Amino acid sequence: AQTVTQSQPEMSVQEAETVTLSCTYDTSESDYYLFWYKQPPSRQMILVIRQEAYKQQNATENRFSVNFQKAAKSFSLKISDSQLGDAAMYFCATTINQGAQKLVFGQGTRLTINP
Amino acid sequence: DTGVSQNPRHKITKRGQNVTFRCDPISEHNRLYWYRQTLGQGPEFLTYFQNEAQLEKSRLLSDRFSAERPKGSFSTLEIQRTEQGDSAMYLCASSLVFGGARVAFFGQGTRLTVV
Repeated sequence: AQTVTQSQPEMSVQEAETVTLSCTYDTSESDYYLFWYKQPPSRQMILVIRQEAYKQQNATENRFSVNFQKAAKSFSLKISDSQLGDAAMYFCATTINQGAQKLVFGQGTRLTINP
Repeated sequence: DTGVSQNPRHKITKRGQNVTFRCDPISEHNRLYWYRQTLGQGPEFLTYFQNEAQLEKSRLLSDRFSAERPKGSFSTLEIQRTEQGDSAMYLCASSLVFGGARVAFFGQGTRLTVV
């Protein structure tokens, strides 16, 4: 069964600093995608960044970047120049069943930004 | 607002009552997913539709749960004879393919409390 593990229940960072959120996964899929979603206190999940497993190049979206280590099944999220609006629960997820592409989520990391 | 819309946002019901939630996806998205999220956990897959066809149901979806998507537009999730264990956030997502990856867009969820 596919599993996603986020080992950091909570993280905090000073505003303008950089923080890295960890994620490891286990999958039997040969082709899959990885995602980081953000869930602010209003509870709507928002896509932060996605990575195709067949691509070696790490994905980047403005201040957000990933470190994708396929052999180690690791997919960490780096947030640079942290802003107060980055405070949220962050969920790592992978797709299972290539056709359905349903998501399997980790348990989340609560990120606090200290002003 | 062209995002995924869920109603109601909150529902409190007595144990044994039936409840129904509605999800209006983004109009051009042909896939619709239901997830359940309990406190402190990541969302778990319940079921999904391709247009009006329900293609997969999780083992989490007991026979008290039924979902429909008539005409491939909005979807409803009904829970019959609610139990306290049904208390959770029910999330709906619709999806579109971006560069091969099916990206899910989530609604704000319906929080169900069974008393």
